[in-house]
This record gives sequence, C-alpha cells and structure tokens, in this order.
Amino acid sequence: QSVLTQPPSVSGAPGQRVTISCTGSSSDIGAGYDVLWYQQPPGRAPKLLIYGNNNRPSGVPGRFSGSKSGTSASLAITGLQAEDEADYYCQSYDTSLRALFGSGTRVNVL
Amino acid sequence: QVQLQESGPGLVKPSQTLSLTCSGSGDSFSVTSYDWAWIRQPAGKGLEWIGRIYNTGNTDYNPSLRSRVSISLDTSKNQLSLKLTSVTAADTAVYYCARYGLFFGGARAFDIWGQGAMVTVSS
Repeated sequence: QSVLTQPPSVSGAPGQRVTISCTGSSSDIGAGYDVLWYQQPPGRAPKLLIYGNNNRPSGVPGRFSGSKSGTSASLAITGLQAEDEADYYCQSYDTSLRALFGSGTRVNVL
Repeated sequence: QVQLQESGPGLVKPSQTLSLTCSGSGDSFSVTSYDWAWIRQPAGKGLEWIGRIYNTGNTDYNPSLRSRVSISLDTSKNQLSLKLTSVTAADTAVYYCARYGLFFGGARAFDIWGQGAMVTVSS
C-alpha cells in the first residue's frame, strides 16, 4: 500500500488542463522533502517529468508543471495532448530518505 | 546519453534467489560515477523502491525487503547487480534499474531508467 495517495484516474479533452494530486503526511512531503513526478506510458518504463517540486528536466514540455504545499503536491498538465495518456506517479522521501512512490494516476485523454 | 539495460533469468523458482544485472552504455558510462537504484512494479500495480547504492558502495534498502535484498557494484564489469533471496510469487514484477541523478541545487531524482526486466516466480 502506497504511502502517497493519488486519485486512480483523471480525464480531460485535448487542449484542456488536468491536475493530479499527491497527498502525503508530516513524515514525508510535509517534512519538507522534495516531490518528483514520473510519467509511464503503457508498456514503457517511467520517465522523469518533475524534480525538486517544480523543476522540469531538459526536454520535458513546459505544459507540465509541479507544485507543493504542506503535505500535498500537484502535477498540472495544460493543453492536454493524446500522447499524454499514461500513468503518472509522484515520489518523495521519508525521514530516513527512503524513496516513496504514490499509488499512481491514469490520465485519460477523451 | 546514458542508456541502461537490465538482464537476468525471467523465471525463478520459489525460495530461490533472484539475480539481475544492469549494464549501461553511452557517455563514458561508469557505475562508479553515479548513484543507482532498483525499483520494481508488479503487473498492473504501482512502483516500489527496492533500494539504492551510492558510488561509494554504501546502500539503503526498503525496510520491507531489507532482510532479503542486496545491491552491489561490479566495477570490473561496470555493472550494477540486484539479489533477492527466498523469493515468492509476491516478488513477480518488472524490475527496473535507474540512475539516481543529481541536479543543480542538490535535487536528486531517478532520472534515467532501464527498459525493465520481467521476472516471474513460479515452480
């Protein structure tokens, strides 16, 4: 059972904005640890989307953005595209710096 | 750009040891230049961090697996390895190796992933 809670799925039409929440606790996200986001297309390996709460690695489109507040974080996708249909996972750390992953959210493009 | 590739038996019998290696290519790949991690994903389920190894050889493991897992670096072969003992059907998953990269400002992330190796535990 994941320590970080995400909605099972979110949906949006092409061009719309969708957000994915990631809820943790005072022992992980709320303790000040970074939140990261990964995108996993069907049948593929995960790919880093966001690191350090709101930073995009080179090559990740600007329509992906991350934010963090208190014990939660969010990933926003603006201008949703068909290729964005994938599973998305948040990740943070516990007080022993062990990596924790969220339960995952499937983004459906209608 | 570094690319990672996991390899090892795709079928392991219950109670035996699962052994995987991770090799890299590109950009003068060296296992001693970075820190690394293993992550697994049962079919249809989420990601589970197994553990990481620093380029110094120091390791951290998921508490739920600590008694059975070992991650090491083979500098002679320039490879990363994973061993998981006393496996059961619950260990059936896709196993990924990933680089634990360091970004400007000190932020860290699993920034490069292998394609994954499917391991089934079954008699």
